[in-house]
Amino acid sequence: KNQVEQSPQSLIILEGKNCTLQCNYTVSPFSNLRWYKQDTGRGPVSLTIMTFSENTKSNGRYTATLDADTKQSSLHITASQLSDSASYICVARGGFQKLVFGTGTRLLVSP
Amino acid sequence: NAGVTQTPKFQVLKTGQSMTLQCAQDMNHNSMYWYRQDPGMGLRLIYYSASEGTTDKGEVPNGYNVSRLNKREFSLRLESAAPSQTSVYFCASSGDRGLSPITGELFFGEGSRLTVL
Repeated sequence: KNQVEQSPQSLIILEGKNCTLQCNYTVSPFSNLRWYKQDTGRGPVSLTIMTFSENTKSNGRYTATLDADTKQSSLHITASQLSDSASYICVARGGFQKLVFGTGTRLLVSP
Repeated sequence: NAGVTQTPKFQVLKTGQSMTLQCAQDMNHNSMYWYRQDPGMGLRLIYYSASEGTTDKGEVPNGYNVSRLNKREFSLRLESAAPSQTSVYFCASSGDRGLSPITGELFFGEGSRLTVL
């Protein structure tokens, strides 16, 4: 069964600290994985995409990794800011062009 | 640049009432989608339109109908609303043709929060 699991469900960190969000996927065949950021009351916005051949990709203070062997991806946020408070959704593209969404990690950055 | 625009943003219905959610995109995208988002669940695809003139069911189509009015507009209709349809609905578009963009991204609207009493 195609599935994407994210952990933790929620996380509270102090402003300026780093954090890592996890995404495990069981999607076959696997094509790519995308991380979205969803601010409260808004639609998701893409942060980055990881394809099969990529291990690490950075977008400012966000760094995504992908391990295709263990079927895991992570999103690392460096020097967190209050504006990083949001839900982060992992989406894997599987067989028959199907997108599989995770339930998201809710991050709260506290001053 | 407006992107994807949804109306209304909020709506309260009584069981059995009908309504239509409107969506328009100004990015000249081929594909458009309707998702619902419920607490503790990932976004679930209701219907999609790979191109103007075509529509197909997603994973949770029961109780909904859609119309791809033209390339820009894709509406979602609830004919007889039920409390189980209380949710946040998102319209999205993609530049790629087909159910799932190969490497392209989904562009989402701001969402429409629907409550059915």
